[in-house]
Amino acid sequence: DSGVTQTPKHLITATGQRVTLRCSPRSGDLSVYWYQQSLDQGLQFLIQYYNGEERAKGNILERFSAQQFPDLHSELNLSSLELGDSALYFCASSVDGDRYYGYTFGSGTRLTVV
Amino acid sequence: AQSVTQLGSHVSVSEGALVLLRCNYSSSVPPYLFWYVQYPNQGLQLLLKYTTGATLVKGINGFEAEFKKSETSFHLTKPSAHMSDAAEYFCAVSSSSNTGKLIFGQGTTLQVKP
Repeated sequence: DSGVTQTPKHLITATGQRVTLRCSPRSGDLSVYWYQQSLDQGLQFLIQYYNGEERAKGNILERFSAQQFPDLHSELNLSSLELGDSALYFCASSVDGDRYYGYTFGSGTRLTVV
Repeated sequence: AQSVTQLGSHVSVSEGALVLLRCNYSSSVPPYLFWYVQYPNQGLQLLLKYTTGATLVKGINGFEAEFKKSETSFHLTKPSAHMSDAAEYFCAVSSSSNTGKLIFGQGTTLQVKP
């Protein structure tokens, strides 16, 4: 157990629907990162939050949004889902928001859009 | 902009043989470099990292990597492969901006033959 908790582990939904992925960071970590892992794109950075504020944005679609709550858990919202959104979505956390420490990853949410 | 190239999407070695996984990076600032391992149906686990100081970095499970600035490389090695080393390995470089964002390579799948 890495200490980063992601729920649900698996999600199957239809095109056009909206889903919410949840992440609880490791105790003491203030920064949360979201990544998408797919066979064709590899690991793509989506977004980073640090202590409730957005810190960095990557290749995140406009249909996707995220937030970090006061208790530091984070949610990634995916809407108007398309078949191509099927992927593994990872959350990771780190002590702070800078480049030094590296991350602790959760075990991911596997999203299947049918 | 930062980028990472992992040479060889699949590497196969015999048990007990040397493991060498290649990683080259591009960075406009002194890089922070990481190797992660991903076992099937799991998240990514940090193997080792280079930030500053000694260029030979030792990690978990007997792995080590050497930062060579002149070659812009950060190859991962292990003297003797074990069956349990079979996994996917990712090299990553930190973003140049003041965030924890990582740029990942496409990954190398290591197969260990008995």
